Amino acid sequence: SQTIHQWPATLVQPVGSPLSLECTVEGTSNPNLYWYRQAAGRGLQLLFYSVGIGQISSEVPQNLSASRPQDRQFILSSKKLLLSDSGFYLCAWSVAWGLAGHRSYEQYFGPGTRLTVT
Amino acid sequence: TQLLEQSPQFLSIQEGENLTVYCNSSSVFSSLQWYRQEPGEGPVLLVTVVTGGEVKKLKRLTFQFGDARKDSSLHITAAQPGDTGLYLCAGGPNDYKLSFGAGTTVTVRA
Repeated sequence: SQTIHQWPATLVQPVGSPLSLECTVEGTSNPNLYWYRQAAGRGLQLLFYSVGIGQISSEVPQNLSASRPQDRQFILSSKKLLLSDSGFYLCAWSVAWGLAGHRSYEQYFGPGTRLTVT
Repeated sequence: TQLLEQSPQFLSIQEGENLTVYCNSSSVFSSLQWYRQEPGEGPVLLVTVVTGGEVKKLKRLTFQFGDARKDSSLHITAAQPGDTGLYLCAGGPNDYKLSFGAGTTVTVRA
């Protein structure tokens, strides 16, 4: 079965410090990978997604970046954190199923990282 | 970007009551999913609906996809405190990304 890991679970960082959040997936090959940020009790904002090694698409301009050095590894980084970067960060993976024209991309989420920038 | 609007934003009911959450859009989706999220955890997939008019049941939860594939509803019968959580709908056209609704926070009081 597939498993997704995220670490750390919680992180408190000062403004201006660097950031590195890591996500790994087990039990599947060539998954699509995603980074989301979630405000308290609200929906998900897609930050980055990747359909393959080295292929990163950015959804929201900001001081964050993402990398995919291995097939099942996805990293979210920042060189200098801002107060507005605080939030709950979620990694997810998906694979397509169904026939062309009616494909579904169910996403499976990791446990999340609570980031507080002080 | 395809927008999904969820209503209501908050719902608080007594144990044993029924509830319905709605997810609406002006766009057509090839599939639509419902997730439940508990505080401090990642969302968990409940169901995927792909055919217009489709109805799926998961124990006390009933999911319906609109005939035109633009809307969906989640109905919970005889709600229990364990049903408490943030319910999210998400839909995709035919690519890698999902559009998520803002969520409905459901609280079931014992």
